[in-house]
Amino acid sequence: GENVEQHPSTLSVQEGDSAVIKCTYSDSASNYFPWYKQELGKGPQLIIDIRSNVGEKKDQRIAVTLNKTAKHFSLHITETQPEDSAVYFCAASGNQFYFGTGTSLTVIP
Amino acid sequence: EAGVVQSPRYKIIEKKQPVAFWCNPISGHNTLYWYLQNLGQGPELLIRYENEEAVDDSQLPKDRFSAERLKGVDSTLKIQPAELGDSAVYLCASSSSGDTGELFFGEGSRLTVL
Repeated sequence: GENVEQHPSTLSVQEGDSAVIKCTYSDSASNYFPWYKQELGKGPQLIIDIRSNVGEKKDQRIAVTLNKTAKHFSLHITETQPEDSAVYFCAASGNQFYFGTGTSLTVIP
Repeated sequence: EAGVVQSPRYKIIEKKQPVAFWCNPISGHNTLYWYLQNLGQGPELLIRYENEEAVDDSQLPKDRFSAERLKGVDSTLKIQPAELGDSAVYLCASSSSGDTGELFFGEGSRLTVL
């Protein structure tokens, strides 16, 4: 099956700085790559996604890039704010969702 | 529009006791998932339903776990008997487009087995 690895496991940044989270996947059949944000005591919520026919997608301060050849994709958050503090999960899906182990992001005011 | 509703939010039981979790998906979502989330880990699929049919239950420990989705709407996940290692958050999610679209998660049911 698919194997999704996510790094780093924890990330602390100053407010206003950028944050980058990276994921790799193993199954070339995966074609959908969402990113989820999970706040304490809540379920994960989709923040951005990308499909295999696209290399980059941006939504305001959030962007995702995909390199199909290298089988890796990244989440970029610019101008971070304290409310961005949460756990972020990447996922890869072909016929089933496989999630990374999560990155705990702390934005220091 | 109401989101995915799960209950109970928290449950504490002693080992060997039974426990059940209930999920009401978003109206019109045919695909329903139960995920297990251990502390510090990502969600792991337990079972996936398309309407009332379980189309992927390969990772459901069938000796103690069972699930049903009668009438293709609400779903119940049961553990009997519970073990210490079952302590985790059980997440329900629904989707209108299977494994190629957005998953909508409930807030989860946190189980503690003593």
